[in-house]
Parts: sequence; C-alpha cells; structure tokens
Amino acid sequence: QSALTQPRSVSGSPGQSVTISCTGTSSDVGAYDFVSWFQHHPGKAPKLMIYDVSQRPSGVPDRFSGSKSGNTASLTIHGLQTEDEADYYCCAFAGNFYVFGTGTKVTVL
Amino acid sequence: QVQLQESGPGLVKPSGTLSLTCAVSGASISSNTWWSWVRQPPGEGLEWIGEISHSGNTKYNPSLKGRVSISVDTSKNQFSLKVYSLTAADTAVYYCARHGSGPYQEFWGQGVLVTVSS
Repeated sequence: QSALTQPRSVSGSPGQSVTISCTGTSSDVGAYDFVSWFQHHPGKAPKLMIYDVSQRPSGVPDRFSGSKSGNTASLTIHGLQTEDEADYYCCAFAGNFYVFGTGTKVTVL
Repeated sequence: QVQLQESGPGLVKPSGTLSLTCAVSGASISSNTWWSWVRQPPGEGLEWIGEISHSGNTKYNPSLKGRVSISVDTSKNQFSLKVYSLTAADTAVYYCARHGSGPYQEFWGQGVLVTVSS
C-alpha cells in the first residue's frame, strides 16, 4: 500500500483559511469514514486534531474542520494562528492496517 | 490523563533486533482498546507499524514482511515492539500510541530515536 498523497506545503497569513488535501484510494480513504488528522511539531508527540473524518477531540479548537469526498479527505484550518505552524498528517483506516499521508508543512506567513 | 513513554536502546546494529517498550500510565493496558506503534524515519513521514488489542490480538503493516512483533505485559501495564533483521532503513523515531473509541490513535508518546548502525 502506498502513502496517502498530501501537498508538501501550504501557507497563509494569520486569520486566513488553508485547506490540506489527502488523496488515497477506494481501499483506504474511500473505503471507510475513518480518516484522522494529526498535528506534529518536530520533537513532540503528534496530536490528534480530527478523527472519523470530521470529529474534533475535546480541546481542539473549532477552527479545525475535516471533510471527505470520495477518495480525498481534507483538513481546513480557519482563522490561521501562528501556533498552527506545524506538520500535518492524515491517516486512513484500511481494514486491517492504517495508511498515513506524506505530510504537509503549514507555514504562517 | 493518559501518558505513554517509550524506552529502549538508541543504537542497534544492522541485522540485529530492536526491542522497545511503551510504559502506560493513567489507563489500564487491559482496557478495551488498541495500542499502536508508529515510526518516522529522518526527514520522512509517519509509518504505521502495527497494533495490539487489550486481549492480545495483533495486526501488522504488510510492508514490514513479518519482521515485527508486538506483545503486551499486563503485569507491568506496558506493551512492546520487536523489529528483526534490522537495516539502516529502520532508523527512525518510534512512537507508541493508544487508540480512542474507534480506529484512530488518540494519545501518543514523545517518541524515541533509534539509529541502526555498526
């Protein structure tokens, strides 16, 4: 199985919105509504931001939202803040295993 | 609050075996959930290695071709990872994680860097 495809980088100014795409196949992203998103600051533990495509864990700001259409999932950050600058990874459940995305670096200009 | 802490040798030799442990606090390893290992090679993305259930059922990444084994020690409230036949490509930061109520990794450890080199 191949890693899910994400853009290498996205950027935006504070207050703007950015969207990260995560493209897989009908065997992973498209197969189940089990896509999660993680925020990763280098040297720290990854943090769960979205699970089950669009659910936010307690404590995650509602500026973060997730969606899915077909074999592509998306994470949108509304009202970008400086602390949102990090690497973001999607992850899809594919039945008996998980596939992560290639990762996207979000830069706040 | 659930906390996970990875431990193990920072340097291992090629062709050898890597053994890592994930100590869990704030939750019981016997709780009805899954426990995962994930790694990140330098400069690369995350890769799921495998997982174990509270009852000892395991699932592994097919790409690792049988070179991994995950076990649980309920008496110590921890779970472990073994990776066999190591090569330089196994050099990575290794993370352990606990799943939530569904198929997603909810809580993660800080990670431990393992270098495979002679």
